[in-house]
Amino acid sequence: RKEVEQDPGPFNVPEGATVAFNCTYSNSASQSFFWYRQDCRKEPKLLMSVYSSGNEDGRFTAQLNRASQYISLLVRDSKLSDSATYLCVTGTASKLTFGTGTRLQVTL
Amino acid sequence: EPEVTQTPSHQVTQMGQEVILRCVPISNHLYFYWYRQILGQKVEFLVSFYNNEISEKSEIFDDQFSVERPDGSNFTLKIRSTKLEDSAMYFCASGGAGNQNTQYFGPGTRLTVL
Repeated sequence: RKEVEQDPGPFNVPEGATVAFNCTYSNSASQSFFWYRQDCRKEPKLLMSVYSSGNEDGRFTAQLNRASQYISLLVRDSKLSDSATYLCVTGTASKLTFGTGTRLQVTL
Repeated sequence: EPEVTQTPSHQVTQMGQEVILRCVPISNHLYFYWYRQILGQKVEFLVSFYNNEISEKSEIFDDQFSVERPDGSNFTLKIRSTKLEDSAMYFCASGGAGNQNTQYFGPGTRLTVL
């Protein structure tokens, strides 16, 4: 079983749409959780940390369910500039473990 | 905004040659990491480094790999004898003292082994 599992996509959505990304993880010892975005041939960039209480940053809302080992990201009012690969990431004190990412393409 | 920097941006080498990839982490960070990403695949952890020693390393990080923090600012990854399968993007990351789990990535070095 993959440590961090995501639907690879691609998700093709029109501008203004709401899109949801989901992820499951297998390591119950994971201590921290993140969403990163990665543009083609670029480095991963931290989008947001994810907490059990849920957290929001502008159009982005992330949620963690530790009991079911499930992480989600909701993107509202999609912009063309949101087109990227969204990486679900878990962390321990020493390392991050990445999912394969879900590709999002926002179109006019 | 402080950022992680890496040099070179692209390195081409012959199989069997040694390469050194260089990184300058964010200045007040204490935790340093190397990851790699083979084209079309996920980002994979190689090694973490804290207090001048390796904290954890993956199975990929075998005897051909080593890391060093030779001075107060640089963090290097050395591959002693490169193989074709070492061709990948290598990312350096650093984490702060308060929350080492949050890591910030450099732009990467694309290593091509011929």
